[in-house]
Amino acid sequence: DAGVIQSPRHEVTEMGQEVTLRCKPISGHNSLFWYRQTMMRGLELLIYFNNNVPIDDSGMPEDRFSAKMPNASFSTLKIQPSEPRDSAVYFCASSLGAGSQETQYFGPGTRLLVL
Amino acid sequence: AQKVTQAQTEISVVEKEDVTLDCVYETRDTTYYLFWYKQPPSGELVFLIRRNSFDEQNEISGRYSWNFQKSTSSFNFTITASQVVDSAVYFCALSEALNSGYSTLTFGKGTMLLVSP
Repeated sequence: DAGVIQSPRHEVTEMGQEVTLRCKPISGHNSLFWYRQTMMRGLELLIYFNNNVPIDDSGMPEDRFSAKMPNASFSTLKIQPSEPRDSAVYFCASSLGAGSQETQYFGPGTRLLVL
Repeated sequence: AQKVTQAQTEISVVEKEDVTLDCVYETRDTTYYLFWYKQPPSGELVFLIRRNSFDEQNEISGRYSWNFQKSTSSFNFTITASQVVDSAVYFCALSEALNSGYSTLTFGKGTMLLVSP
């Protein structure tokens, strides 16, 4: 069975450019999460969706970040304009449901470097 | 607020040694779930185990074992006869329900385990 799929795996861009990260959750999973991992802050939850609806975006750093989930099998995280401090690994995860008992399964991550 | 503490930032062992990774958590809920994830050098996050707050039985899976002690709010992870392939960063995480019915997962800072041959 396919796990969570993320693309691209690596992205190098210049400051000011728009960056779009993509995620395909595990089929049948209703909840989708975007995380950011840095050495300084560890793993941070940015936003999560349930049944394609954003539930909590309080972790999104600022207005430059936006996320969408147009359907059950696709989500994007966009940074516009990008800044060097956005350099991090961005993970997408999905779970069967939204309850605390649900296990989140992670994609391989997108390693973003903003020059 | 929930909090997960992994006090050991880095551990180095020699192959075949046993090693225990500590995890201490804080929560006001009586129902919650604890998780361990492994992040090998390749970078992906791999789910290892989930434990609910009502099940204090220890769990063993091959060389891996987990000790859940509700009295001390700890959920420690032991690797027996460690191998080089066990080298990774290990994360402990806590999930508890929100009033909204949803839940969030809070991760510890992780423990980097280095197993030398």
